[in-house]
Amino acid sequence: DAGVTQSPTHLIKTRGQQVTLRCSPKSGHDTVSWYQQALGQGPQFIFQYYEEEERQRGNFPDRFSGHQFPNYSSELNVNALLLGDSALYLCASSARGLQETQYFGPGTRLLVL
Amino acid sequence: AQKVTQAQTEISVVEKEDVTLDCVYETRDTTYYLFWYKQPPSGELVFLIRRNSFDEQNEISGRYSWNFQKSTSSFNFTITASQVVDSAVYFCAPPGGGNKLTFGTGTQLKVEL
Repeated sequence: DAGVTQSPTHLIKTRGQQVTLRCSPKSGHDTVSWYQQALGQGPQFIFQYYEEEERQRGNFPDRFSGHQFPNYSSELNVNALLLGDSALYLCASSARGLQETQYFGPGTRLLVL
Repeated sequence: AQKVTQAQTEISVVEKEDVTLDCVYETRDTTYYLFWYKQPPSGELVFLIRRNSFDEQNEISGRYSWNFQKSTSSFNFTITASQVVDSAVYFCAPPGGGNKLTFGTGTQLKVEL
């Protein structure tokens, strides 16, 4: 049973560029959440998707957007990258329902130069 | 604001010692679930336990046990007979409203031989 997968594992971009990160949920899960984890900090919630719509959003600017596909996989897009966007981006999947357990993928490490 | 406090930033123990990680949280939810996650150096967040707020019976699962007290908003986690492989950052994650998890800065646990 495959767990949550994310791609790419590492990414280097320059300021002003755009980036797309991808996530495939655990088998049987239809809900995907994205978190940003800066070095030495805990993860911060970006947003959550199910039924192909953004259902809940954290305190992140509109430069951060996402998408969920009919197969429940998801993308996180970040436009106009800033140095401060350098972080580990974690995707988590869960079953539908309030406060179901979220299972995390290995993350994508983004470095913005 | 809903938040979590893990006052212990770093704990060092010798293998086979028991160790308790403290967690105090704030939430506006009246019924909710609480979670503990572990993040080894590889970076992936690993789910450990999920506990509901309306059942304060403390439990043991293998070497893990937890003490939940709703009256004091505390949710402490104990590892019995610690092992070197337990070395990681541990996060307590109460709800942040809806399905979003709130993470603090975590507790770094180092288990030495």
